[in-house]
Order: sequence, then C-alpha cells, then structure tokens
Amino acid sequence: KAGVTQTPRYLIKTRGQQVTLSCSPISGHRSVSWYQQTPGQGLQFLFEYFSETQRNKGNFPGRFSGRQFSNSRSEMNVSTLELGDSALYLCASSLVAGGRDEQFFGPGTRLTVL
Amino acid sequence: GQNIDQPTEMTATEGAIVQINCTYQTSGFNGLFWYQQHAGEAPTFLSYNVLDGLEEKGRFSSFLSRSKGYSYLLLKELQMKDSASYLCAVRDRNSWGKLQFGAGTQVVVTP
Repeated sequence: KAGVTQTPRYLIKTRGQQVTLSCSPISGHRSVSWYQQTPGQGLQFLFEYFSETQRNKGNFPGRFSGRQFSNSRSEMNVSTLELGDSALYLCASSLVAGGRDEQFFGPGTRLTVL
Repeated sequence: GQNIDQPTEMTATEGAIVQINCTYQTSGFNGLFWYQQHAGEAPTFLSYNVLDGLEEKGRFSSFLSRSKGYSYLLLKELQMKDSASYLCAVRDRNSWGKLQFGAGTQVVVTP
C-alpha cells in the first residue's frame, strides 16, 4: 500500500510570490490534515479536510488556504509569501480521523522563501 | 486550546530505559498520540491512549492519566536507532483531524 506522497519535495520562492503544494493520501483515506513545522514553533496545525470540506482550521492568516478534491487529494496554497513562511509543510492522512485513527505523515515539502 | 509540555532533551545509554513525560491542558480531551521523528524525516506513529492506563507495544509503552493531564512514553532496551525526537500530541473533542503537538523531546542514545 503506497504511503502519503507530497509534491514537490523542495521549493524555493521569493517574497510576494505564491505557492501550491500537493498531497496524495493513502488510498481509502478521506481525511487530510496539513501542518507547518519550524525549529522555533514545532508542528503547528494548519487545516483539515474531510470529504472535500474543511472541517478544522488552525490559527494561520488567510494567506494560507487549501482544498480537497473528490479523490481525497489535497492542495494547500500560500499567497504573498513572507520570509517567515519558510518551513517544512507536512500533510497527514487518516481514514476518518476519529477514534484510534492514527495520522500517517507524508515526507513533507521543504519551502524556502528568499 | 491546549498547552502541551515535554522536556527538550534527554540522554541515555544503549540498553537503558528512558521515560518521556508529557503534560497537557485541554478543554475537551479526545486522545493522546506519541510520534517518533528522525531528523529530516516525517513523524511516524508510536502509540495512542484515550483511556487511563498503560498501553504496551514491544519496547515502547505509553501511559495516560486523564485526571492529571499526564502521559509518558517509556522506551526500553534503548538502541542507537532510537535517537530521535519524540512528539506528544493531543486531540480535542470534535477536532478529529487536528492534533496539537508538543515541541518534542530529543532523545540522544549514547554507546
């Protein structure tokens, strides 16, 4: 069974640009969560999608957005990039994200903003 | 919201036992997870607790006390490959896909 895949793995952008990251969950998983990981702040929750609907949202500005498609694949978008957006962006999938459901993490996208 | 605290770093020798504590405050507890993350890699699931008590899985065990807002992860018979960051994460009621993570505990295993 293939794991969670994320593309691209590495990305370099400049301030003011926008970026789109993609996540393909494990087959059959309907919940996709996104996290930002930085050395200073650790892992912080961005948002979660379930059956194409945003079910939970973290405390990030509106520049961070996402969506989920009917095949459960998800994308997140960051507009007007800032230097502080440099981070590892991780997505995690789970069946329904309830009960003992663990979240399986993808390898992440390393975003560098110059 | 939640406040999750765990030690920053712990060092132990190969073959020893290490206990990583995690304390949390939450408005509506609905499960605690432990993840392992090696440098440069994605977190991988270790354990899940939602009821009080001990869950054992091979060399790793996790304990939960909901009344005390406390959990620990016990790593036995330490191996060099156990050197990693260990993350405690809490899920709130009605926040299924949202995990609130602690800052992580870096465990260093020495020969």
